[in-house]
Amino acid sequence: AAGVIQSPRHLIKEKRETATLKCYPIPRHDTVYWYQQGPGQDPQFLISFYEKMQSDKGSIPDRFSAQQFSDYHSELNMSSLELGDSALYFCASKLEVIGTEAFFGQGTRLTVV
Amino acid sequence: AQSVTQLDSQVPVFEEAPVELRCNYSSSVSVYLFWYVQYPNQGLQLLLKYLSGSTLVESINGFEAEFNKSQTSFHLRKPSVHISDTAEYFCAVSYSTDKLIFGTGTRLQVFP
Repeated sequence: AAGVIQSPRHLIKEKRETATLKCYPIPRHDTVYWYQQGPGQDPQFLISFYEKMQSDKGSIPDRFSAQQFSDYHSELNMSSLELGDSALYFCASKLEVIGTEAFFGQGTRLTVV
Repeated sequence: AQSVTQLDSQVPVFEEAPVELRCNYSSSVSVYLFWYVQYPNQGLQLLLKYLSGSTLVESINGFEAEFNKSQTSFHLRKPSVHISDTAEYFCAVSYSTDKLIFGTGTRLQVFP
C-alpha cells in the first residue's frame, strides 16, 4: 500500500540558509500534518492543512512557512536556519473523518551546521 | 488543554519478560488515544488505538492497551517481549480529527 513519502530523507544546511521539505500524502488523504522532533524529544506539532487550507497552527517559528498544493502534497519552507532547527521533521496524512488515524512518513532529518 | 504523561523515560527488561509502559492523559473532553512505536532512524508507526467501544485494544504483534477513563490512563502491555521490541514508544492523544499531542516517549530496551 502507498505510504506517506517525504523528501529528502536527509538534508544538511548551513546557518542562515533556507530549506524546503516535501511531503506527498497517501492518495485520497485530505489532511496533512507537520511535526518536528528534536534529538531525544517527542514530536511537536507545527502546522496542518485540510483541503489546501491551513487548519491549525502549533509552535511553528515565523521563519517557517508551509502550504498544501492542489495535488495535496505539502511543502515546509524554512528560512534563516538556526542550529536549533536541527531535527527530524515528520509529515503525516489522514482522511479527515472521525475515527481514522494519521499515517506518518519516514521523516526528513535536517542538520544545520 | 490536552497533555500526555509518560512517567518512565526508559524501561529495561529481559527478553520474554512482561512489560508495561505507562501513559496518563489529561483532558476535559473525550479523546482518542494512540500508541506509536519508533525504531531507530525510522518514522512513527501506529501500534494501536482506542477510539470507542471495548476498552481493551490489541495490536498484531502481541501488545495491548487498556483505556481506563477513571484513571485517565492508557497503559501499554506485553506479556513476553522480544529483542525486536526494542524501540521508542510514544503515547498520543487527539480530540476528534485534531492533531496528535505526544508524550515524551519511553525507551524500551530488551536485553537477551
